Amino acid sequence: GAGVSQTPSNKVTEKGKYVELRCDPISGHTALYWYRQSLGQGPEFLIYFQGTGAADDSGLPNDRFFAVRPEGSVSTLKIQRTERGDSAVYLCASSFQGVSGFDEQFFGPGTRLTVL
Amino acid sequence: DAKTTQPNSMESNEEEPVHLPCNHSTISGTDYIHWYRQLPSQGPEYVIHGLTSNVNNRMASLAIAEDRKSSTLILHRATLRDAAVYYCILRPSRGSQGNLIFGKGTKLSVKP
Repeated sequence: GAGVSQTPSNKVTEKGKYVELRCDPISGHTALYWYRQSLGQGPEFLIYFQGTGAADDSGLPNDRFFAVRPEGSVSTLKIQRTERGDSAVYLCASSFQGVSGFDEQFFGPGTRLTVL
Repeated sequence: DAKTTQPNSMESNEEEPVHLPCNHSTISGTDYIHWYRQLPSQGPEYVIHGLTSNVNNRMASLAIAEDRKSSTLILHRATLRDAAVYYCILRPSRGSQGNLIFGKGTKLSVKP
């Protein structure tokens, strides 16, 4: 079946612009996660959805970052007034339930964001 | 969340076994040990997980020390496609907020 997909695969923008990154999770997965990965580092958690609601947004670095999942499926990560430090690969993952210690997360290929 | 310690890098020859170590001395009794790997230019992928007993699947084996303070991911015959960054991650069995906490992992290089 189809895995997690993310669009666009690459996004180049200018400092100060607004960007939206999209994630299509695996059908039927209730949990959805956003991570950010800088070069040479492991992925860093941003936000976690259980259904339509954000169960944990403690990883969002500041109020320029916002994410939604209005129908409990597709999610959009929104970044306002982008800064050069926002340049990274943004990864999305989904899992069937999300709340157990053995729940496997399935990752998308990521969106590489470059802020000039 | 409990912390894990892994070597920054390891090398292996193709078709030889690889043992990737992970120390987690502060593991709690209800933490699962997960391994994910990330191939170049891809998102991480699940490899294996375990709680107390050793585990085998089609990708790898997981050997867990009796005191659970360390574990080893075993690739029985490394291939070039196994070159990746391998992450050892602890996850509470319940009451978990769900997200994975990644360290820097071990970068595995496989030589032909």
